[in-house]
Amino acid sequence: GAGVSQTPSNKVTEKGKYVELRCDPISGHTALYWYRQSLGQGPEFLIYFQGTGAADDSGLPNDRFFAVRPEGSVSTLKIQRTERGDSAVYLCASSKTGRRIDTQYFGPGTRLTVL
Amino acid sequence: AQSVTQPDIHITVSEGASLELRCNYSYGATPYLFWYVQSPGQGLQLLLKYFSGDTLVQGIKGFEAEFKRSQSSFNLRKPSVHWSDAAEYFCAVGAQNTGNQFYFGTGTSLTVIP
Repeated sequence: GAGVSQTPSNKVTEKGKYVELRCDPISGHTALYWYRQSLGQGPEFLIYFQGTGAADDSGLPNDRFFAVRPEGSVSTLKIQRTERGDSAVYLCASSKTGRRIDTQYFGPGTRLTVL
Repeated sequence: AQSVTQPDIHITVSEGASLELRCNYSYGATPYLFWYVQSPGQGLQLLLKYFSGDTLVQGIKGFEAEFKRSQSSFNLRKPSVHWSDAAEYFCAVGAQNTGNQFYFGTGTSLTVIP
C-alpha cells in the first residue's frame, strides 16, 4: 500500500516568509508525528497528533511553528516569519495507534531552505 | 531524560566484511528500540525493532540487533556487508511516558569499499 507522502519535496523561501508543509499519512493510521532533521543530526521531535488533536507539542521550538490535522488524516506544518535557522528536512511519520509505542513509518521529508 | 548515543559518526568497511554499529540508550523504563536506515534523499526505513521477548531480533536485509539491558545497548550487526548497505543508520528509543515520541541518535554513516 501507499506509504507516508510529503509535499513539497523541496521548498526554498526567503527569510520572513510563511510556509506550509503537508503530510499525508498511511491510510488508517491514527497517530501522526512531525520531526525536524538538521544536517548531520538525527530527527528531533516536534509534535504528535492522536486523531485530530495535538497530544504533545512540546517539541515545537517557538510560537512561529504550528501544525494542524483537522480531519484526522492529512496534517500541515506551518511556519511563520521563517528564519535561516529553520532550514532543515522536516519529516512526517505515522503509526497505527498512538496509544502505546508503535512502529513509526516515515515519509521522504520536505527539505526547507530559508535564504 | 531519554537519550540515545551512537558513538561512531562514520564507519568504513569492505564489502563482504562483518559490521557492528553501536547504540547506547538512557531510559528509565523498559525501552522500545528501533534501528532505521536512511539513504541519501530518502526517508527513514525501519530495519528492525525490539519491544520485548527474545533479545536477539532479526530484521530486513540480513540485519540483526541484540538488546543488552545490563549494558543499555542495542547494537546492530550484519555478517556480510553489501555495497548497497552504504547509508546513514539511526538508532531510536520510544518513550511512552512522553507522548510516544522517538528519541534518535545522531546517526552513523556507513561507507562500503569494494
